[in-house]
Order: sequence, then structure tokens, then C-alpha cells
Amino acid sequence: NAGVTQTPKFRILKIGQSMTLQCTQDMNHNYMYWYRQDPGMGLKLIYYSVGAGITDKGEVPNGYNVSRSTTEDFPLRLELAAPSQTSVYFCASSYHRGAENIQYFGAGTRLSVL
Amino acid sequence: AQKVTQAQTEISVVEKEDVTLDCVYETRDTTYYLFWYKQPPSGELVFLIRRNSFDEQNEISGRYSWNFQKSTSSFNFTITASQVVDSAVYFCALSSWLSNFGNEKLTFGTGTRLTIIP
Repeated sequence: NAGVTQTPKFRILKIGQSMTLQCTQDMNHNYMYWYRQDPGMGLKLIYYSVGAGITDKGEVPNGYNVSRSTTEDFPLRLELAAPSQTSVYFCASSYHRGAENIQYFGAGTRLSVL
Repeated sequence: AQKVTQAQTEISVVEKEDVTLDCVYETRDTTYYLFWYKQPPSGELVFLIRRNSFDEQNEISGRYSWNFQKSTSSFNFTITASQVVDSAVYFCALSSWLSNFGNEKLTFGTGTRLTIIP
């Protein structure tokens, strides 16, 4: 049972480069999320999706883009990477509010922008 | 606005001691959920417990127990007879309504780093 899978685990980018962080879940969850975790801080929501084709901004969306073409995949795109985007990125998924609103997280992607 | 405060940044205890991690939250919602997640040194986030705002019963799971007190807006986590494997960063989180589609956002505290000394 894979759950939420994130790739890559680690990445170093140069300022101005772009990359896509991959996230796949096999639990048939309709809701998916991207968070970032800065040192000594809690997680902050970047973007979320409530289903294929529907996405919206979270608290800290600037510098990122997302798409959701399938239920399983929710990639996060960084355009023109900046040092402020150095962070650990977590993808999560959940079923729906109420009975099954637990968010399950992937193992994270550690990104450094130099 | 939602807020979660974990005032204890770091705690160290000797193995087999009991330890309590504090969590205080702020919300204007009448219905909400509280969560605890564990982040071991390997970095992943592991779900531990979810508590509905209408259910103030304490919960025990093995060496873990949780005390939810709505009157003081607290949701504390106690580990009994701590073990080295309990060493991790523990996050408390609060859910809030995110969109008309019914999904929720989690507001996280800044975490408590727990070190169990053998």
C-alpha cells in the first residue's frame, strides 16, 4: 500500500531554474494538498485541489503553479526558483470532510535553491 | 483566524519517563478537528490521532494518551514510559473549512522536538 508518493526526495536548483515536484496517491482521495515546511516552523498550505481540473490557492501560492489532470496526480511547478523557496515540500491527500478528513502525507521533497 | 501554539520548542527526557506535549489552539469555528502528527528523523509525517470538537473524551492508545479540554482550548499529548523510538518532532494541527467543496485546511503549530535520552 504505497499511499502518497513524492519524487524526487532531494533536489538542488540554481536561482532562476524551474522544476516540477511530483505527487501521486493511490487511495482514490479526491482532495490533495501541497504544503511547505520551513525550518522550525509548521507547515503552510501552498495550493490544494478538490478533484481533477479544480485547484485553488492556499496561504503561500506565489512562485508556484499546480495542475490536476487525474485523481491520482497533483504536481507542483516552481518557475524561476528563488532562495526563498528553499524548504521541505509535502504533498497530502484526504477523502472528504467529516468521517474521513484525515490528511495523509508523503515523505517530502527537500529542495535547496542556491 | 486559526492559530495553534506549541510553546515547548524542545523537550528532553530520560527513557522511561513520562512526558506531556502541550497544544493550545484558537478558532471561531464551532465544529473542528484537532490532530497530532509525528515527524521522526527520517522526515515523513505520520498521523497519530484526530479528535472531533464535540468529543471531549480522553483517548488512550498504548503508551499514548490525549487530553482534550475545550474550556481551555487545549489538546495535550502524553507519552508514558517513553522510549528512544519516540524521539521526533510532534505537530499539533487544527482543521478549518477551506472551500465550498467541503475540504479542510490544516493549521499547524511550530512543533515540539522531543528527545528521549537512553
